[in-house]
Amino acid sequence: GAGVSQSPSNKVTEKGKDVELRCDPISGHTALYWYRQSLGQGLEFLIYFQGNSAPDKSGLPSDRFSAERTGGSVSTLTIQRTQQEDSAVYLCASSFGTGRNNEQFFGPGTRLTVL
Amino acid sequence: GQQVMQIPQYQHVQEGEDFTTYCNSSTTLSNIQWYKQRPGGHPVFLIQLVKSGEVKKQKRLTFQFGEAKKNSSLHITATQTTDVGTYFCAGAGSYQLTFGKGTKLSVIP
Repeated sequence: GAGVSQSPSNKVTEKGKDVELRCDPISGHTALYWYRQSLGQGLEFLIYFQGNSAPDKSGLPSDRFSAERTGGSVSTLTIQRTQQEDSAVYLCASSFGTGRNNEQFFGPGTRLTVL
Repeated sequence: GQQVMQIPQYQHVQEGEDFTTYCNSSTTLSNIQWYKQRPGGHPVFLIQLVKSGEVKKQKRLTFQFGEAKKNSSLHITATQTTDVGTYFCAGAGSYQLTFGKGTKLSVIP
């Protein structure tokens, strides 16, 4: 079966523009996570969805960041008024149940560059 | 909040040498997971440890979970060039995993 997919794979935008990043999790996975990875750095947790609800939004760095998940499947991460420090690879992961007890399957990521 | 520290940040070894990366949490963990990220790739799950003092092996890789469930290690015996990448530990919190910053392994042929 298909793994986690993300689109676009690369996004170059100008400072101040809004961007939307999409994640298609593995079918049947109820948990979905967004992470940010800056160059050569670790994984920074952004947000966790269980079904369509987000019990943990604690990692969103500012109110410019938001995310939603519809139908318990596809998720969109939106960054408004992008800044240069938003440049990073944004990774999505999904898992059965809660990812804290189960293997997380990562997508290939979206590389965001803010000029 | 929960913090997971991982050392060393970088490790360069000659092919055939052993390699170890260590992970320490500020809080007791319910479980710990290890992931490998190849250069240019995304993290891939290696293993999960749940029990205090647990030791698991995967071929040349040995994973340990400390007795207090606050630390863990990954040891690779006789490294090969295919072992190149960044190894992350991730400790389970309330809902999510807290990832360490990773240890980047380079293997010199």
